[in-house]
Amino acid sequence: QKEVEQNSGPLSVPEGAIASLNCTYSDRGSQSFFWYRQYSGKSPELIMSIYSNGDKEDGRFTAQLNKASQYVSLLIRDSQPSDSATYLCAVRIGNEKLTFGTGTRLTIIP
Amino acid sequence: NAGVMQNPRHLVRRRGQEARLRCSPMKGHSHVYWYRQLPEEGLKFMVYLQKENIIDESGMPKERFSAEFPKEGPSILRIQQVVRGDSAAYFCASSPPTGSRSPLHFGNGTRLTVT
Repeated sequence: QKEVEQNSGPLSVPEGAIASLNCTYSDRGSQSFFWYRQYSGKSPELIMSIYSNGDKEDGRFTAQLNKASQYVSLLIRDSQPSDSATYLCAVRIGNEKLTFGTGTRLTIIP
Repeated sequence: NAGVMQNPRHLVRRRGQEARLRCSPMKGHSHVYWYRQLPEEGLKFMVYLQKENIIDESGMPKERFSAEFPKEGPSILRIQQVVRGDSAAYFCASSPPTGSRSPLHFGNGTRLTVT
């Protein structure tokens, strides 16, 4: 079982719709959860971080965490073509390294 | 307010040569991480360092790869006797020493091509 799993996609969403990206993790000791966006040929950039169960909203982005189900998701409202990228889920235990999923490729269709 | 600085951006090496990748963390950050990314793949952890100390090198290949983060100067990822399979993007990231909630901030990466 992979430590952090994501559906590789591609996920296609019409412009203006909600994009839903999902991630599961295997280690129950995981404490911190991050979503990064990576455009083709570029470096990952941090979008959201979440540490407690529930929802965390930042503009058009909402991160959701359910530790009992070992599940974290990212919702993007009012999707824009500029949101087309690969989204990486990352998980951390204590002060250790970030472990990344393989990423979900998202395409917003105008 | 400089971010994580990596150089060179692109590096071409012939098989058997050595590659040296450099990374200067963000100001105030004392933790450095190196990741490798193959085309169309995710980020694979290689090594985690603090100044003059390797904390976790569980992702480093046993041979030809080494990393250091000296008291002065940038962190260096060194690949000896490169092979074509080493061709990848190598990303450095840094974080402050403030616990598990600190996200990693990535540099622009070094794209290594082995010919």
